[in-house]
Amino acid sequence: DTGVSQDPRHKITKRGQNVTFRCDPISEHNRLYWYRQTLGQGPEFLTYFQNEAQLEKSRLLSDRFSAERPKGSFSTLEIQRTEQGDSAMYLCASSLTTGSSYNEQFFGPGTRLTVL
Amino acid sequence: AQSVTQLDSQVPVFEEAPVELRCNYSSSVSVYLFWYVQYPNQGLQLLLKYLSGSTLVESINGFEAEFNKSQTSFHLRKPSVHISDTAEYFCAVSVGFQKLVFGTGTRLLVSP
Repeated sequence: DTGVSQDPRHKITKRGQNVTFRCDPISEHNRLYWYRQTLGQGPEFLTYFQNEAQLEKSRLLSDRFSAERPKGSFSTLEIQRTEQGDSAMYLCASSLTTGSSYNEQFFGPGTRLTVL
Repeated sequence: AQSVTQLDSQVPVFEEAPVELRCNYSSSVSVYLFWYVQYPNQGLQLLLKYLSGSTLVESINGFEAEFNKSQTSFHLRKPSVHISDTAEYFCAVSVGFQKLVFGTGTRLLVSP
């Protein structure tokens, strides 16, 4: 078990460009979450998947943001036409959720996005 | 909607002194409560959680937190801190076992 991995760890882009981040959850974890953390703030929920189904999206997730988890394993988060306000740390977490019992969310190291 | 307030953005303390990091939450329904820790250049790690039962929960490295429903608080305490406890601490709530709602974090700075 290598934990949750995210790629790339750092991304610098120019305003208006598209970027895509990847998250590989812990093997067999059925839930995958995306959060965004800006400087001086706590992580904010963006969206989550159970297997390949996207079950909830935050209103923070504008139309420029799209997330997928096509085979219920890894996930991608794409930001189109990036803006300087998109600069943040993008965190991915996964959990193995069965029934109504609690299962810990394990976080990846994050992808730090800087939009110039 | 749920919200979490961590009033102290930074708490400086000397090694071996006690510390309390405050967390208050707001919710119209029952919530589950968590403390996460983020060490420098590392990802978020779960420190402790309250799901049900005893209102006092403990971590393996000496931290404890007490759920107080009447005061809607979940303060984190440690009787004697170490240099290695220097980190950012986030309080979080969850309705059901789904998304987490985090506070803004408290940076604990332990000096010799």
